[in-house]
Amino acid sequence: DIQVTQSPSSLSASVGDRVTITCRASQTIADYLNWYQHKPGKAPKVLIYAVSFLQSGVPSRFSGTGSGTDFTLTISSLQPEDFATYYCQQSYSTPHTFGQGTKLEIK
Amino acid sequence: QVQLQESGPGLVKPSGTLSLTCAVSGGFINSSHWWTWVRQPPGKGLEWIGEIYHSGSTNYNPSLQSRATISIGKSMAQFSLKLTSVTAADTAVYYCARNEGPVQQLDYWGQGTLVTVSS
Repeated sequence: DIQVTQSPSSLSASVGDRVTITCRASQTIADYLNWYQHKPGKAPKVLIYAVSFLQSGVPSRFSGTGSGTDFTLTISSLQPEDFATYYCQQSYSTPHTFGQGTKLEIK
Repeated sequence: QVQLQESGPGLVKPSGTLSLTCAVSGGFINSSHWWTWVRQPPGKGLEWIGEIYHSGSTNYNPSLQSRATISIGKSMAQFSLKLTSVTAADTAVYYCARNEGPVQQLDYWGQGTLVTVSS
């Protein structure tokens, strides 16, 4: 199985901050890397697919970069509604493993 | 607009079988999509369980040690998950979702249903 490691596991930030979350795969996964936002009691929501493509309806303050094994999700200016847990997921090979999550909290 | 809705018992006894159904509306299971089950144990992260294509092809997470079976209903408007020999470790919110596109991101999700394994 491909392991996916996210960092940090938690992050405290303020509204307006720029935030970066990283994801590292245990082997190359080309561009098969997706990012999800998950809020308590809600379904996860895809933000970014194929490393850098913004899902329809997602604000442009979210962006993704990376290649091979190393990837990042950046939120350029945090908004109150962005406080949530974020997961990366590799879909290069099954099982389509998720990272362990990054909980983004208000400072 | 595609909508997914999970249903099934919220309580299952240890060593029993967990059975959930995902009803799909606004779309068809026999379209060119895979359909996925994901779960989240309390206080933990997301775990990919497995997926099915309308042809019946399936892929499963080996961590479930062959306990999971995903199938499509005859109406082609729902798909199901069965998980046998459950333990407390299988207590989780279970989500169904649709795969989309060449990288198979999960673009539509159900709201999730909590299943508790307890006697």
